[in-house]
Amino acid sequence: EAGVAQSPRYKIIEKRQSVAFWCNPISGHATLYWYQQILGQGPKLLIQFQNNGVVDDSQLPKDRFSAERLKGVDSTLKIQPAKLEDSAVYLCASSLGQGVVTGELFFGEGSRLTVL
Amino acid sequence: AQTVTQSQPEMSVQEAETVTLSCTYDTSENNYYLFWYKQPPSRQMILVIRQEAYKQQNATENRFSVNFQKAAKSFSLKISDSQLGDTAMYFCASGSSNTGKLIFGQGTTLQVKP
Repeated sequence: EAGVAQSPRYKIIEKRQSVAFWCNPISGHATLYWYQQILGQGPKLLIQFQNNGVVDDSQLPKDRFSAERLKGVDSTLKIQPAKLEDSAVYLCASSLGQGVVTGELFFGEGSRLTVL
Repeated sequence: AQTVTQSQPEMSVQEAETVTLSCTYDTSENNYYLFWYKQPPSRQMILVIRQEAYKQQNATENRFSVNFQKAAKSFSLKISDSQLGDTAMYFCASGSSNTGKLIFGQGTTLQVKP
C-alpha cells in the first residue's frame, strides 16, 4: 500500500515570497491533516479536512496561509507571503475515517521549508 | 480544549534497560484516545501505541506499555529492553473521538546508549 506522498521535500525561499506544498493521502482515506512542526517542537495542527470539507482550521494563520482539498483527495497548502517564522517542516497525515475513531494517522515524510 | 504536556525534553537510557516517558493531558471530551508516536531522526512519524480512554486496562505492544491514570490525566510510556533503534523523538497525543482532532505534546528526545 502506497503511503502519504508529499512534495517538495525541501524548499528554500526569501521572505515575502510564496510557496505551495502538495499532499496525496493514502487511497480511500477520508480525513487529511496539515501540521506545522518547528524544529524541536511538537506538530501543531493547521487544518483538518473530512473529504473536501474543513473540520478545523482554528490555528491556520488565514492572512497568509490557505489550504484546499480538491475533490476530497489530494491537498495543497500555500503560504503567501512567507515570514521567517514560517521555517518549519509541514507534515501531511491521513486517516481512514474520522481520525481516532477508526485508527491511526499515517504521516508523510514532510516538506521542510526554510525562509531566508 | 485539548492540551498535552510532556515535561521531559530529553532522556537517555542504556541499551537493554527500561525507561519511562511522562505525559499529562487535559480535555473536555468524554470520548477520547491517547497515543504515543515515534519520530526517528529525519524519518516519518509512526504510531507506537494507543489507548482508548474508556478502557481501564493499560495497552501493551511488545516492549512498549502505558500507564494510564485517567483521574490524574496521566499517560506514561514504558519502553522495556531498550534498543538502539528506539532512539527518536517521542510524542504523546490526545485525540477526540467526536472530531478526529489530534493534538501533540512538545516531545521527548530519547537517546539509547550502547
